[in-house]
Amino acid sequence: DIQMTQSPSPLSASVGDRVTITCRASQGIHNYLAWYQHKPREAPRLLIYAASTLQSGVPSRFSGSGSGTQFTLTISSLQPEDVATYYCQAYSRAPALTFGGGTKVEIK
Amino acid sequence: EEQLVESGGNLVHPGGSLRLSCAASGFTFRKYAINWVRQAPGKGLEWVSSIGGGGDSPYYADSVKGRFTISRDNSQNTVSLQMNSLRVEDTAVYFCAKGVAMIGGPFDSWGQGILITVSS
Repeated sequence: DIQMTQSPSPLSASVGDRVTITCRASQGIHNYLAWYQHKPREAPRLLIYAASTLQSGVPSRFSGSGSGTQFTLTISSLQPEDVATYYCQAYSRAPALTFGGGTKVEIK
Repeated sequence: EEQLVESGGNLVHPGGSLRLSCAASGFTFRKYAINWVRQAPGKGLEWVSSIGGGGDSPYYADSVKGRFTISRDNSQNTVSLQMNSLRVEDTAVYFCAKGVAMIGGPFDSWGQGILITVSS
């Protein structure tokens, strides 16, 4: 089974900071990697798929990169509404669809 | 607008059974996989089960294999998750989520989630 490891967690940064979250896959998954944002008492939201494609309606301050086993999610300028937990998900071995452990992003 | 609504959540004793439902609207239901994802208290997201758009290809996480059964009714735009032999560790908020294709991920629409509590 593919294991997904995220770092750091938690992550504390100031408004306006550039924030980077890393996700590592235990084996190569090409670019079959998605990122989600999850706020308490809300449904998770798809931010990025295919490692770097922005889902419709997602602000352009979010971006993704990587392939193979190393991936990153970057928020170019952290906003108060970005406080949430972020998850990566591998979907190369459908239907087994593994999530990372999550990165909780907080404002300093 | 795509919408998914879960129902059937409850408090159940260990060893008991429960059936969750997910009602979908706003998209051509038969064309997309539907998945269940759960979040235990204080924990992260865990994929639980998925079913292909045609109702074939049901798959399960190892943690629920042999205890949970997923099914769908494309005439009613619903997906069900029959949960048997429930354990305390099955306590979680359960989300249904729509895949972007007939099978697999990622998941582009989610329900609000429903709480299942397994406790004596």
